[in-house]
Amino acid sequence: KNQVEQSPQSLIILEGKNCTLQCNYTVSPFSNLRWYKQDTGRGPVSLTIMTFSENTKSNGRYTATLDADTKQSSLHITASQLSDSASYICVVPQHYSNYQLIWGAGTKLIIKP
Amino acid sequence: KAGVTQTPRYLIKTRGQQVTLSCSPISGHRSVSWYQQTPGQGLQFLFEYFSETQRNKGNFPGRFSGRQFSNSRSEMNVSTLELGDSALYLCASSSDPGVQETQYFGPGTRLLVL
Repeated sequence: KNQVEQSPQSLIILEGKNCTLQCNYTVSPFSNLRWYKQDTGRGPVSLTIMTFSENTKSNGRYTATLDADTKQSSLHITASQLSDSASYICVVPQHYSNYQLIWGAGTKLIIKP
Repeated sequence: KAGVTQTPRYLIKTRGQQVTLSCSPISGHRSVSWYQQTPGQGLQFLFEYFSETQRNKGNFPGRFSGRQFSNSRSEMNVSTLELGDSALYLCASSSDPGVQETQYFGPGTRLLVL
């Protein structure tokens, strides 16, 4: 069964600290992996899309890595800010006759001042 | 460009009633997808429309239906509401339904079924 699992489920860190969120997937065949940020009560916003050939991709203070061999991705947040408090969701498309996006349950990140 | 808009933003219904939610995609986007999100759960895919045709459907009962109009606006309908239908319903649009396309989400409609 195609799945996307994220860890930890929730994380609390102090403002200014770094953190790393994990995503493991079993979706095959693989085409790309996406990270979304969802603020409370709002729709998700795309942070990055990583294809099979990309190992690392940065978007400001967010850096995503991908290891297609182990089917793992991570999202590293540098010098966290209060506005980083949100849920971070990993998404992988599955391909059959029509593709569907498989969404992870997300990691809820809380930044404390 | 205006973002994805969803109406209404909040809705309270009772069991057995039906509800219709509306989504206006970003101008020029032809693909609209609907998702259900409950606390602690990942987004659950409901269906996707492209050029007025349902292109893909998730594992939801037939009480959940949708449609897309010629201007790409979409509606979803839930009939015979159940308590478990209480959720945030999110609409996302993209220019095309390809696997490389980024989906842009609306703010969602929060539905409470009493």
